[in-house]
Amino acid sequence: ILNVEQSPQSLHVQEGDSTNFTCSFPSSNFYALHWYRWETAKSPEALFVMTLNGDEKKKGRISATLNTKEGYSYLYIKGSQPEDSATYLCARTYSGYALNFGKGTSLLVTP
Amino acid sequence: DGGITQSPKYLFRKEGQNVTLSCEQNLNHDAMYWYRQDPGQGLRLIYYSQIVNDFQKGDIAEGYSVSREKKESFPLTVTSAQKNPTAFYLCASRPLNTGELFFGEGSRLTVL
Repeated sequence: ILNVEQSPQSLHVQEGDSTNFTCSFPSSNFYALHWYRWETAKSPEALFVMTLNGDEKKKGRISATLNTKEGYSYLYIKGSQPEDSATYLCARTYSGYALNFGKGTSLLVTP
Repeated sequence: DGGITQSPKYLFRKEGQNVTLSCEQNLNHDAMYWYRQDPGQGLRLIYYSQIVNDFQKGDIAEGYSVSREKKESFPLTVTSAQKNPTAFYLCASRPLNTGELFFGEGSRLTVL
């Protein structure tokens, strides 16, 4: 199974900064692209699931874009807050139902 | 409340022993998954099941076994054949008609 790659591996920003992460994935046999937020001592929670090239989704201060032709997705956080500190996981659906995950981007937002 | 329950949360076992991790969901989801996380690694897929009495191997199935006798339950057995079983194990489920996964809180297995 070809890998999903995420960058950067970790990020430290100040409260109020805007930031973005990248997820790159094999563009062949694409079904869907997922973003999850995983806070310490909690379960991962879904942010977005995107399927169409050019999809853009938004939830509050967080948004994501998808380019299936070139195999990448961006996650943006506008005006980061300390409660945004978490690991952000990207995953690709393949074979219809199986998902493979990247290693995640660990975000720390300090006041 | 609806959700996914994994047990036990922490488990210690001696080398050579099999151990079974429980995963139960009351969300009426069709598909269920087991992932493993190791330090510095992403979540790696062990097994998944789309329907009762059927399951498929993921990327790292060697040394593991599963069953899906009921829609609600997808237990994972870590056998003595698994060479490096110490890890954090996450169970997840999802309905077949939507994409997102719903995760349990995980089980941490330590082999002494």
